[in-house]
Amino acid sequence: EDKVVQSPLSLVVHEGDTVTLNCSYEVTNFRSLLWYKQEKKAPTFLFMLTSSGIEKKSGRLSSILDKKELFSILNITATQTGDSAVYLCAGNYYGGATNKLIFGTGTLLAVQP
Amino acid sequence: DVKVTQSSRYLVKRTGEKVFLECVQDMDHENMFWYRQDPGLGLRLIYFSYDVKMKEKGDIPEGYSVSREKKERFSLILESASTNQTSMYLCASSTIPQAFVGGYTFGSGTRLTVV
Repeated sequence: EDKVVQSPLSLVVHEGDTVTLNCSYEVTNFRSLLWYKQEKKAPTFLFMLTSSGIEKKSGRLSSILDKKELFSILNITATQTGDSAVYLCAGNYYGGATNKLIFGTGTLLAVQP
Repeated sequence: DVKVTQSSRYLVKRTGEKVFLECVQDMDHENMFWYRQDPGLGLRLIYFSYDVKMKEKGDIPEGYSVSREKKERFSLILESASTNQTSMYLCASSTIPQAFVGGYTFGSGTRLTVV
């Protein structure tokens, strides 16, 4: 059965800390790995990773995919209180007529001042 | 920016009522999805549609149906609401697989409470 597992389930850090969020996946017909940030409402897209070993960066956030180990990490450096959110990881596969996503349960990040 | 709009942010309905959740997207996306999100279970796919009048069951379709009469609108129907359908419902849309570079775009969600 396809699955995406995120760890830790939650963590609390202080502003300025660096955090690493983990995502492992077992997805049939895997195409890519996506990260979303969810702050009380709509998940917003962060990254889509298709190739192993190529880091994607956006400001203080970065992510990388390891297709051999079926693993991805999301790094956030110099955390701010505005980074507090649930971070969702999703495996993308082609099923039927379209791309589908299977989501992990998310990591709840709380950044304290 | 792609916008996905869900008609209600919060809804309270009684057990046995027929409930309609509406979703509209404005970017001419072919694909639309309905998920529910529950603590500890993450997002689970209820139904999706890849074209007008075309629909397919997701992982948890029981108790739900959908309608897509126009490309921009995708409705989720709870035929007879039950308390175990209390949840956050998220609509999403995406373009064709060949242009799938930005993932799904989600609506803000409808928090449904069935009493």
